[in-house]
Formats: sequence, C-alpha cells, structure tokens
Amino acid sequence: EVQLVESGGGLVQPGGSLRLSCAASGFTFSSYEMNWVRQAPGKGLEWVSYISSSYSTIYYADSVKGRFTISRDNAKNSLYLQMNNLRAEDTAVYYCARIPIVGGYFDYWGQGTLVTVSS
Amino acid sequence: EIVMTQSPATLSVSPGERATLSCRASQSVSSNLAWYQQKPGQAPRLLIYGASTRATGVPARFSGSGSGTEFTLTISSLQSEDFAVYYCQQYNNWPPLTFGGGTKVEIK
Repeated sequence: EVQLVESGGGLVQPGGSLRLSCAASGFTFSSYEMNWVRQAPGKGLEWVSYISSSYSTIYYADSVKGRFTISRDNAKNSLYLQMNNLRAEDTAVYYCARIPIVGGYFDYWGQGTLVTVSS
Repeated sequence: EIVMTQSPATLSVSPGERATLSCRASQSVSSNLAWYQQKPGQAPRLLIYGASTRATGVPARFSGSGSGTEFTLTISSLQSEDFAVYYCQQYNNWPPLTFGGGTKVEIK
C-alpha cells in the first residue's frame, strides 16, 4: 500500500524557517517524481515544488522561489522541503504528492502537515 | 502560466441527481487534465486523469470528458459520500502545474 506521511509542520514567526519531511513507503520511491502542494485555510490547491526521481530536475512556484528548497534522499525514501524567510501567506497545509511514472498529475497524496506563520 | 477556471463555484444537488462540473483552461491542455475530490479535513483524491480515465477504485458514476480548453466532470447519480469539493488540474504545459479554484458540491 502506498503511503506518504508528512511531518515537521508547526507555528513559526515571520522570517523564520521550517523543514518539512515526507516519508514514503509501499512503492519504489527512487523511481517516482515527487512534489509539494499546499492549501491555505479555506482556499484551493497550489503547487509548490517538483523534484525528479534522480534529483536532476527541480522546479518551484514563483511564490516560493529563492526561499524554499526541495530535496530527497532515495536511500531513506524521504522527501523534504526547507522553507526559509517564511511569510504569513505561506500559512497552509502542505501535502507531499507523487506523480506516476507517466503523467503530471498526482496519484497519491499524504495527509498533510500544517504550517502556521504568525507572530 | 495556464489559468484553470471552474464553474460553478458551488453546485446544490439532491441525492440521486446528476451533477455536471465545468473546467476551462486559458489555452489548450490537450487531454492532460485531472480531476480530484477533496472532503473536509482530508487530502485530495485522484478521480480522473487524461481527461476521461478513471483512477483505480473510482466508481463508474464519475466520468470525465473534453479536450483542449473545455472539460466536464459528471457524477451520474450523486451519493451521500460524493458531497465534496472538486478540483481540476492541468499538466500539459508546466511548470507551473495549475489547479482550478474548485467546485463545492453541496446537498440541496
């Protein structure tokens, strides 16, 4: 069974940093492209970042470029999101989501971790 | 960036009735369009990809159609568990991957 479990969310002050993790199981993690998608309270879904299976390609949404860094450790079946210089508008539930072997849609999602940026 | 627009924002439907949700892309996305269902407090769930292919385990009452810029998700006979928010997402031209604003299907 495919499982994605996020952790690392919490309350942080504006300008602060946080590192999110996503532990993957039930599939060959190293073969799949992974993403972070977020959802502000009461709002819709916003794609945040993408990383290819081999780490070679990385993309970011303009809203987080230069502040967030996506990474992965295929040996540990884990995906990460380092978030720096956080702003109030980064407050959201952050989901890790898998892209299937062929396609740019998300076939599996974690349960999400809440990040709150507030003083 | 391709902008995805969903309509209506809210759809009031009685159980057993048909629901028709629309999604429009600002430019052609071919058939590279997915639909998701999200219930309160839960992660989104993939329903449809390739505009019309149901994901594993999705009931046959869910169907997707369209190509280019106009897409439709149809729920043929609404069940109680179908009341949720539905999002479309394009993956034809990215980054960025973009979602529509969502349609909330509520009980009439």
